[in-house]
Formats: sequence, C-alpha cells, structure tokens
Amino acid sequence: DTGVSQDPRHKITKRGQNVTFRCDPISEHNRLYWYRQTLGQGPEFLTYFQNEAQLEKSRLLSDRFSAERPKGSFSTLEIQRTEQGDSAMYLCASSPTGWKNTEAFFGQGTRLTVV
Amino acid sequence: AQSVSQHNHHVILSEAASLELGCNYSYGGTVNLFWYVQYPGQHLQLLLKYFSGDPLVKGIKGFEAEFIKSKFSFNLRKPSVQWSDTAEYFCAVNEDEKLTFGTGTRLTIIP
Repeated sequence: DTGVSQDPRHKITKRGQNVTFRCDPISEHNRLYWYRQTLGQGPEFLTYFQNEAQLEKSRLLSDRFSAERPKGSFSTLEIQRTEQGDSAMYLCASSPTGWKNTEAFFGQGTRLTVV
Repeated sequence: AQSVSQHNHHVILSEAASLELGCNYSYGGTVNLFWYVQYPGQHLQLLLKYFSGDPLVKGIKGFEAEFIKSKFSFNLRKPSVQWSDTAEYFCAVNEDEKLTFGTGTRLTIIP
C-alpha cells in the first residue's frame, strides 16, 4: 500500500499522559497536513508542513501540541498532558504541492481516547 | 475565514432514489471545491473536485457536482443510489493552502 499511513490506529491513554502519533505520507509529497475530527464534525485543520518547514498552525493547536517533520518525510504529532477533550480522530494528509489544482490524500487516522 | 455549510445532517434513501446533498461556502473569489467520502471504517477518499472550467464536474462511482458561483454552492448529485453508497460525505473548500470542511452528511441507503 503506497498511501498515507498512520500509526497507531488506536490509542487509549490516561489523562495527563503524553502521546505521539506518526504519519508517513505518500513518497515525494511535499505537503503534509494534520487534521482533527470529532464525532459529528468535519475534519478541522491543525497544522501543515512544506517539506520540513511548519508553515501554519491553527489556533486549535494549543501549547500542549507539537508537530515535527524533521527530514521532510514522516511527521509526528505529540500531545502533552492529554485532556479528555483531546479525544478525537487525528488525520494526516499529504499532497504533491499545495491544494491548488491538486488533491490531498488522507490516511486512516489515529483514534485517540483519553480516559 | 471560509466556512462550509452542509445543511443535510442525515439523509435516508431507498436504493435507486436520486440524491442531492447541499454544500454552500461563505464567500467568493477563486475557490477550489471538493467532495470527499468516508465509508464505514475507511479513510477519506476524494469523490470529485472543481478547480476551473466546466462547472459540472463528474467524479467516481457515478457522482457529479455543480458549481454555481452566484449561489456559492457546490451540490453533490447521483441519479440512482446504491446500498454501497452508505457513507459520510464531506464538502470542502480550499483556503490559504488548507482545506476547510463542512460538518458532513451521513447518507444511509435502505436496500
């Protein structure tokens, strides 16, 4: 499978713990996006990278969230001191360049449950 | 900032019925518009997209959408739905290098 892959698929953690998710984009895709989706809502933008540079972060991304894409390939999203409100599906997407005249490909997501 | 409205939250249809799902975005200018589908347990997949040109765009699985600039709308249609179309459908618009999604429409097809 050469699509976007995310790991783990599911994560259950206790409140206050740190968690880290990984996203492997489609090879040679320069753009990588993180989204969050809660029940009954559409995906909400969190942040995106052009190669290794993080170009934009949403106001949804509190100080407890950090994302990296150190070599311009895979990316990690870390949530520190998790809260119950962090429970959601975290989606990763990649695209060759920007959205203009191209599409993004989504991974299957990481479902986080904070108990 | 752009916003996307999908007014139909849950639609239930019988097989072979015609489908139209509404999508409106908040303001004009040059926009790229998308419909994504999420089948149960699967990832978001692109159904169709509009960048420019013919406002009637055709996508996979017999879906089409019409971009009406004057109405800020991009409604999704299918003349005859199948049970396998049961899924959640999301309309999205690009804005400043990222996508803004609607809240989605859950479509249930009754055999």
